[in-house]
Amino acid sequence: EVQLVESGGGLVQPGGSLRLSCAASGFTFSSYEMNWVRQAPGKGLEWVSYISSSGSTIYYADSVKGRFTISRDNAKNSLYLQMNSLRAEDTAVYYCARDQVAGHFDYWGQGTLVTVSS
Amino acid sequence: AIRMTQSPSSFSASTGDRVTITCRASQGISSYLAWYQQKPGKAPKLLIYAASTLQSGVPSRFSGSGSGTDFTLTISCLQSEDFATYYCQQYYSYPYTFGQGTKVEIK
Repeated sequence: EVQLVESGGGLVQPGGSLRLSCAASGFTFSSYEMNWVRQAPGKGLEWVSYISSSGSTIYYADSVKGRFTISRDNAKNSLYLQMNSLRAEDTAVYYCARDQVAGHFDYWGQGTLVTVSS
Repeated sequence: AIRMTQSPSSFSASTGDRVTITCRASQGISSYLAWYQQKPGKAPKLLIYAASTLQSGVPSRFSGSGSGTDFTLTISCLQSEDFATYYCQQYYSYPYTFGQGTKVEIK
């Protein structure tokens, strides 16, 4: 069974940092591209970042470019999102999502809540 | 970035109704469109990809159509478990973008 489990969310002050993790199981993690998608409270979905299966290709939304860094460790079946210079508008539930083929997401984690507030 | 606009933003319907949600892209995206269903407090669930291909395990009452800029999601006979929010997503180019969502409520 495919499982994606996010962790690392919490309350952080504006300007602070947080590292999210996504533990994958039930499939060959190293063969799949992965993404982070977020959802602010009561709002819609926003794609955040993409990483290729090898980690060699990465994309970011303009809203997080230069502040967030996506990475993966295929030996540990894990995806990461390092978030720096956090702002109030980064408050959201962050989901990791498996890229089925070419950009649509067939499996999602349960999400982890990041709250940026003083 | 490609802007995705869904309509309506919300509506009420009854069990057994045929419902249609539309999604319009600000530029042509061929058939690089997916539809997701999301229930409160849950992660989104993939329903349809490539505009009209039903994801494995999704009931056949869901269908999608369209290409270019205009797309539709149709639920042929609304069931109680279908009351949820639906999102379209383009994956034609980065940044991937979602529609603002359509909430289907019980009449």
